[in-house]
Amino acid sequence: QKEVEQNSGPLSVPEGAIASLNCTYSDRGSQSFFWYRQYSGKSPELIMFIYSNGDKEDGRFTAQLNKASQYVSLLIRDSQPSDSATYLCAVEHSGAGSYQLTFGKGTKLSVIP
Amino acid sequence: SAVISQKPSRDICQRGTSLTIQCQVDSQVTMMFWYRQQPGQSLTLIATANQGSEATYESGFVIDKFPISRPNLTFSTLTVSNMSPEDSSIYLCSVETGYNEQFFGPGTRLTVL
Repeated sequence: QKEVEQNSGPLSVPEGAIASLNCTYSDRGSQSFFWYRQYSGKSPELIMFIYSNGDKEDGRFTAQLNKASQYVSLLIRDSQPSDSATYLCAVEHSGAGSYQLTFGKGTKLSVIP
Repeated sequence: SAVISQKPSRDICQRGTSLTIQCQVDSQVTMMFWYRQQPGQSLTLIATANQGSEATYESGFVIDKFPISRPNLTFSTLTVSNMSPEDSSIYLCSVETGYNEQFFGPGTRLTVL
């Protein structure tokens, strides 16, 4: 059973602070990891992906991956009220070319003005 | 990325009936996926639909209940058959664009009475 675990939150941070979202996964063979943002009533929107150990930065977002610990995180710097949403961690099933994703339950983030 | 549309955007149906959901993408894609997102829950993969082959269903989902068609590289349909209130959910299609990234359509919100 491939599992992806996230704290459901809600995670509340003040505007301008760093929001830290965490995710662990069970399939040690997984190679690709994704973060989606989902606003209430909307479909998920891809914001970051990471394949290699270490950090990957894109604007205010940084994804961090540690395959040995089976841990992936998303940092949001200078958090804005518009960042308030549910963040979904997704892990690609191991196996070449499967492209099948297992999603965590999501962490609800609230950025307080 | 890709521009994905779904029809209908929402529907209210009577139990025992069937609903066919359409997914259209603006470019040719090999892999399309159908997900379900029940209220307050994360996404669960129903099946993978590749053009020219039978859909591959995940554990807990069967073809008789969720028949899928994939007649070409830009279009797919998912039918929810013999519906019950437990089928009330948001149904989402997604596409893999060739860069190991999945993008989602806007979803179909289904309510079964």
